[in-house]
Parts: sequence; C-alpha cells; structure tokens
Amino acid sequence: RKEVEQDPGPFNVPEGATVAFNCTYSNSASQSFFWYRQDCRKEPKLLMSVYSSGNEDGRFTAQLNRASQYISLLIRDSKLSDSATYLCVARNTGNQFYFGTGTSLTVIP
Amino acid sequence: DGGITQSPKYLFRKEGQNVTLSCEQNLNHDAMYWYRQDPGQGLRLIYYSQIVNDFQKGDIAEGYSVSREKKESFPLTVTSAQKNPTAFYLCASSPLTRGTNEKLFFGSGTQLSVL
Repeated sequence: RKEVEQDPGPFNVPEGATVAFNCTYSNSASQSFFWYRQDCRKEPKLLMSVYSSGNEDGRFTAQLNRASQYISLLIRDSKLSDSATYLCVARNTGNQFYFGTGTSLTVIP
Repeated sequence: DGGITQSPKYLFRKEGQNVTLSCEQNLNHDAMYWYRQDPGQGLRLIYYSQIVNDFQKGDIAEGYSVSREKKESFPLTVTSAQKNPTAFYLCASSPLTRGTNEKLFFGSGTQLSVL
C-alpha cells in the first residue's frame, strides 16, 4: 500500500470556482503534512503546511483529520494561475517525506 | 542567496555508462534527499542522508549510489545497473529540527535521458 494516496484528477474548473483535493496516508505515526505545488517540469514548491487545527492562507485552506488519516486542500475563487499539480506530502518519524502522485488542476477562463 | 543547486539541468547517458548528478546546498541543513519523478507520477525516494558519512536507501535505491562526504554535498550516481534511468531527478534538503522550517527545500532538478 502506498504511503500517500491522492486522486490524480484531472480537475478542470472555471475561473472563480471552489475546488477541493483529498489525500489519505497509511502510516498513523506520520508527524507532519504539507501541500506542495508543482508546475510542469519544475521543482515542487511549498504551498502550505497542514496543522491539526486546520489553517488558512488567503484563498487556500488545509485540513487534517488524524483519526481518518485524511488531508484536504480547498481552493476558493480559482485563478488561471492556480493551474498546476498539487502534491500531498507526509513526513514520518524517520524524517522521510512521502509524496502522493499529485492532483492535476486546470482553471479554465 | 541560500538554496540548493543541482547540475546539470539536462544529462544524457549512453548504454553501460555511469553518470553523476550534483547537488549542493548552503542552507546548513542536516538532511538531504534524492527523488525520482516519472511523467505523470509523484516523487519516489531513492536515498536520503541525515548526517555526514551516513545515508539510507529509500524505496527505489537499486541501480543508484550516493555519498555524503560533506554536509553541503550529496551527489547521486546513476549506475549502468539502472536499466530505466530516464526521469526527472530532484534533490532536496531539510533541517532536522521541528518547527516552521521542517519542510523540504528543492533544487531545480536534472532531466536524465538515455541516448
């Protein structure tokens, strides 16, 4: 079983839409969680860390449910510039970072 | 500016040849990582190191080797035993201390192709 699993999409949404991505992790001892954004053939860049109480950064909201081993990312008021692949990441107690396969988002004018 | 430098950006390998990908960081991070990314796939861990002169295999270490002689440097060698080396290779680093900087910082990647 993969450490981190995501729906690969693709998600095609109109500008201004709200879109949600989900992710599950298999290791209950995972300690930290992140969402990264990756543009085509570029390195991943941190979008936001995910905290147990949930956290928001502008149009982006991340949630963590440890009981269900589930992480989510909500993007409100989608912009064309949000088009990218979004990677869910879990860090385990051995300081290994495991990535999901990524969810592809295209925002359509 | 602090960061991670990977070189070269593009690399071509002939059959039976070993090639080495460079990764240097000046962030003073203890941990360094190598990932492989195939088209449409996520990142898979090849090797990681948390301290100088020590490293551990990740999920797909076969056909690869690494060294960590200096804190700043973590080169990856793709050996001839790796039969399907064409991929995008990403080097990353992270501090080992918990806190706001525990995330991964990435280099810009090396695209390796087989001739």
